[in-house]
Amino acid sequence: GAGVSQTPSNKVTEKGKYVELRCDPISGHTALYWYRQSLGQGPEFLIYFQGTGAADDSGLPNDRFFAVRPEGSVSTLKIQRTERGDSAVYLCASSPYFSPTSGNEQFFGPGTRLTVL
Amino acid sequence: SQQGEEDPQALSIQEGENATMNCSYKTSINNLQWYRQNSGRGLVHLILIRSNEREKHSGRLRVTLDTSKKSSSLLITASRAADTASYFCATDAPYSGAGSYQLTFGKGTKLSVIP
Repeated sequence: GAGVSQTPSNKVTEKGKYVELRCDPISGHTALYWYRQSLGQGPEFLIYFQGTGAADDSGLPNDRFFAVRPEGSVSTLKIQRTERGDSAVYLCASSPYFSPTSGNEQFFGPGTRLTVL
Repeated sequence: SQQGEEDPQALSIQEGENATMNCSYKTSINNLQWYRQNSGRGLVHLILIRSNEREKHSGRLRVTLDTSKKSSSLLITASRAADTASYFCATDAPYSGAGSYQLTFGKGTKLSVIP
């Protein structure tokens, strides 16, 4: 079946502009995560959705970052007033409903490479 | 913040040799996973080991976990040029009834397998 898809694959924008990054998770996966990966680093957690609600947004760096998942499937990460430091690869992952006794394998999309000039 | 630290940061071996990568972490975990990443894009899940397990195998992969030392190792046997990639360990915290099941990644080991 189809994996996690993300659009666009690359986004170049100017400092101060607004961007939206889209994630389409695997069908039926209730959990959705956004991570950000800077060059030479591992991914860092941004936000987690269980269904439609943001269950944990503790990784969002500031209030310029916001994410939604209105129907419990597709999610959009929104960045206002972009800064050069926002340049990174933004990764989305999904997983089936998590139970405390099971594992937490996450299925990642190919990422969106955001460049802020 | 990064929880894990992989060691070495970079590893170059000849095809057919074994590759060993290590990961250390700081806090208690529920599970530890290894992921592979090609060309800085999407990550592919390789193997998951639970905190009450000590060793796990999957094909040419062998993972060990030592919770007393807060460390794990990934062994790739009989390496191939196609194994060239970055490898990350990722941990999730013990279930607390609140919060998410976010993964905390290390900085990764960049493996180069020379044909």
